[in-house]
Amino acid sequence: DAMVIQNPRYQVTQFGKPVTLSCSQTLNHNVMYWYQQKSSQAPKLLFHYYDKDFNNEADTPDNFQSRRPNTSFCFLDIRSPGLGDAAMYLCATSRGPPDSGGETQYFGPGTRLLVL
Amino acid sequence: RKEVEQDPGPFNVPEGATVAFNCTYSNSASQSFFWYRQDCRKEPKLLMSVYSSGNEDGRFTAQLNRASQYISLLIRDSKLSDSATYLCVVNVKGKSTFGDGTTLTVKP
Repeated sequence: DAMVIQNPRYQVTQFGKPVTLSCSQTLNHNVMYWYQQKSSQAPKLLFHYYDKDFNNEADTPDNFQSRRPNTSFCFLDIRSPGLGDAAMYLCATSRGPPDSGGETQYFGPGTRLLVL
Repeated sequence: RKEVEQDPGPFNVPEGATVAFNCTYSNSASQSFFWYRQDCRKEPKLLMSVYSSGNEDGRFTAQLNRASQYISLLIRDSKLSDSATYLCVVNVKGKSTFGDGTTLTVKP
């Protein structure tokens, strides 16, 4: 039973063409995260939501935005993808609250983005 | 200096070998610690949490040393299926920082 679902699994877009990646969860977790992972590198946190509260990492480019219309869904919008944005994008959830310090994160299968 | 640093690897070991990975972290306020496993082109999956008292799950043993700010993962009796990248994760107030991972290849 899938708990964190990401669609699509593979996404091809053109340079500068906006793209949206989606994530849904059946865990009813309060916190949802978006990570970017490039080849042979660690996942890098872009931002997270605790319920409806949005928390952006300081070094996340403005080109990346996120929406969370309800508990189950969270979207990653890349307004003008560049070649350097090609990566695996991972969605994760945790029960929260995010400052509790002990929360396990559950990852979705990821969306691999290719920018042409 | 990176917040979380792992052994560079890769580790290539024969089946049945014992292998140990270390991970150091720089933030003394770090609250929780995990090892994740990531197979090629797949998502990270939780392997085990790491506690000060140490914890064991079958062939896997994790240890935390807060004084020296490092965690370790020991894999005994390695199996072919253990081949993967192992990610050290350190959590401070809900923010998780990942190490770059150590790649393990277990060979017949």
